[in-house]
Amino acid sequence: AQSVTQLDSQVPVFEEAPVELRCNYSSSVSVYLFWYVQYPNQGLQLLLKYLSGSTLVKGINGFEAEFNKSQTSFHLRKPSVHISDTAEYFCAVSGAPNDYKLSFGAGTTVTVRA
Amino acid sequence: DGGITQSPKYLFRKEGQNVTLSCEQNLNHDAMYWYRQDPGQGLRLIYYSQIVNDFQKGDIAEGYSVSREKKESFPLTVTSAQKNPTAFYLCASSSRDSESYGYTFGSGTRLTVV
Repeated sequence: AQSVTQLDSQVPVFEEAPVELRCNYSSSVSVYLFWYVQYPNQGLQLLLKYLSGSTLVKGINGFEAEFNKSQTSFHLRKPSVHISDTAEYFCAVSGAPNDYKLSFGAGTTVTVRA
Repeated sequence: DGGITQSPKYLFRKEGQNVTLSCEQNLNHDAMYWYRQDPGQGLRLIYYSQIVNDFQKGDIAEGYSVSREKKESFPLTVTSAQKNPTAFYLCASSSRDSESYGYTFGSGTRLTVV
């Protein structure tokens, strides 16, 4: 079985500053990795995903993440945040390629201040 | 546009009542999922279905029931046996197509016990 640990429950950040959200996973098999964003009272929206290939993955809204197999990590970064990036972010993992069920981390709340 | 529709957006339940949450998708996805979200606890899997007329229990299935009579529909019933049903419920679907791998989420139903 796969599991995910998001290392920060809350991340406050000033507008136009960079942000990094940390995600570590554990798995005995190859994995697929995902980052989702959730705005208040809404469902989750896919930011980006790693299935194979380049370890640097670019997503929507200027976010990117890097898959590091040796450190079993998939950290999410954005070089300059906006007020509209205030949301909760979830890292998720599934066992590739036949396990379609995702396991989610507990989430990281990002609060962007002016 | 293809997507997942959850209804209602808000639902109030009296003690001892069963209520049913609707989830419909027009993405032609084979698999569908129900998650419960509580503050600070991330997403917890209630039930999932990978094919019509078949479903499996997730991590917190007690007090819930589902059916999958049609590919497009995966309703969740919260029974009176669920002692603490107040939560945000999310439905998701996924495809086995590697290009679109990952979950698509509905916008959620907030259930409150009154």
